[in-house]
Amino acid sequence: DGGITQSPKYLFRKEGQNVTLSCEQNLNHDAMYWYRQDPGQGLRLIYYSQIVNDFQKGDIAEGYSVSREKKESFPLTVTSAQKNPTAFYLCASSIDRGYAGYGYTFGSGTRLTVV
Amino acid sequence: EDKVVQSPLSLVVHEGDTVTLNCSYEVTNFRSLLWYKQEKKAPTFLFMLTSSGIEKKSGRLSSILDKKELFSILNITATQTGDSAVYLCAVEPQTSGSRLTFGEGTQLTVNP
Repeated sequence: DGGITQSPKYLFRKEGQNVTLSCEQNLNHDAMYWYRQDPGQGLRLIYYSQIVNDFQKGDIAEGYSVSREKKESFPLTVTSAQKNPTAFYLCASSIDRGYAGYGYTFGSGTRLTVV
Repeated sequence: EDKVVQSPLSLVVHEGDTVTLNCSYEVTNFRSLLWYKQEKKAPTFLFMLTSSGIEKKSGRLSSILDKKELFSILNITATQTGDSAVYLCAVEPQTSGSRLTFGEGTQLTVNP
């Protein structure tokens, strides 16, 4: 079955550490996205990528980095520069034309906690 | 900058009640407005509304889009405890990249 796989589901980070969240899709989607969700808030866009080897900052990119070396993979690194990283992180993918929102597919998320 | 505002942020009702969730938006070159239901993890798609499809219905859920007033509502009739979730509204612009802008969400709790 096609879909998006995020791992791990839960992640604990010590202050000052970098951690990487995995996102893999087998939907042959061109575009991939990372969103952050805090309690009582909606989804905020961190980074997105429309094509391999290219990505753009979203609304809250500071303290995060991404890469897009393969079409299927879009890992997110939460660096030590991110002062408040505890949140729920969602990865999504879509086609990059037409009514892409209709085909938005989300992963199951990674819950990151700083200890 | 695109913007989506949802209200109320939180709502508690009893089974059988009818609820109306609101979504107002500002977007450059509107393409579509989407509603999602999020129970624990991944949001699931409910409706997409566009200039050519301003009213959608599926079972007890329905939604309308007012492009003039930049507003959408999601109605749920005869609510059930399984409707308890966060309901997210998002807008998609015409520009490529298909990045959605989400509202804060409405937390709906349906009590038995």
